[in-house]
Amino acid sequence: GAGVSQSPSNKVTEKGKDVELRCDPISGHTALYWYRQSLGQGLEFLIYFQGNSAPDKSGLPSDRFSAERTGGSVSTLTIQRTQQEDSAVYLCASSSQGSSGNTIYFGEGSWLTVV
Amino acid sequence: GNSVTQMEGPVTLSEEAFLTINCTYTATGYPSLFWYVQYPGEGLQLLLKATKADDKGSNKGFEATYRKETTSFHLEKGSVQVSDSAVYFCALTHLPLVFGKGTRLSVIA
Repeated sequence: GAGVSQSPSNKVTEKGKDVELRCDPISGHTALYWYRQSLGQGLEFLIYFQGNSAPDKSGLPSDRFSAERTGGSVSTLTIQRTQQEDSAVYLCASSSQGSSGNTIYFGEGSWLTVV
Repeated sequence: GNSVTQMEGPVTLSEEAFLTINCTYTATGYPSLFWYVQYPGEGLQLLLKATKADDKGSNKGFEATYRKETTSFHLEKGSVQVSDSAVYFCALTHLPLVFGKGTRLSVIA
């Protein structure tokens, strides 16, 4: 597609429910990233994919968080047993290669509210 | 580890004022440096970048110079406009992209 596409754009869920957030990167981009932006906070790195593998999962905040990427394209971030502190904007980004100087393009985010 | 420190906001300026947002970094090796901007209600977008020491990135009247000796990448604009009101993030990349906490800029007419 023309840009990084994320869905849903907004999600309200009850505490304890599972949610799935989807990211469709720019066509041909091999690297994909998930970040979290909480209200009034900066961007927190969650996980990075190069192709279908995730060389860096260091940012996942707990074992309730997982992500996968299949076919080198679409990625899903899953949050199990959601908690109120999970409320944030979840940003997905992609780049053409996983190398240092390449520009990373962001989607508009999925706003998650846990009530 | 790699990290970015940028000045805390909010920054409030009058239209046509000079803008500086400070950014310093800590990194091993030679990272690329970026400024991203987030306009109200919109996603993050790249403003400018520099990939090696002494490079100057520029876009939309904004400039930043990669200073290895001072490990800095300060953002400047000579004359801000109301439409520049946004949150600005300094970032470096060694994979993944490491962001500063962001600086909110408000420009008043």
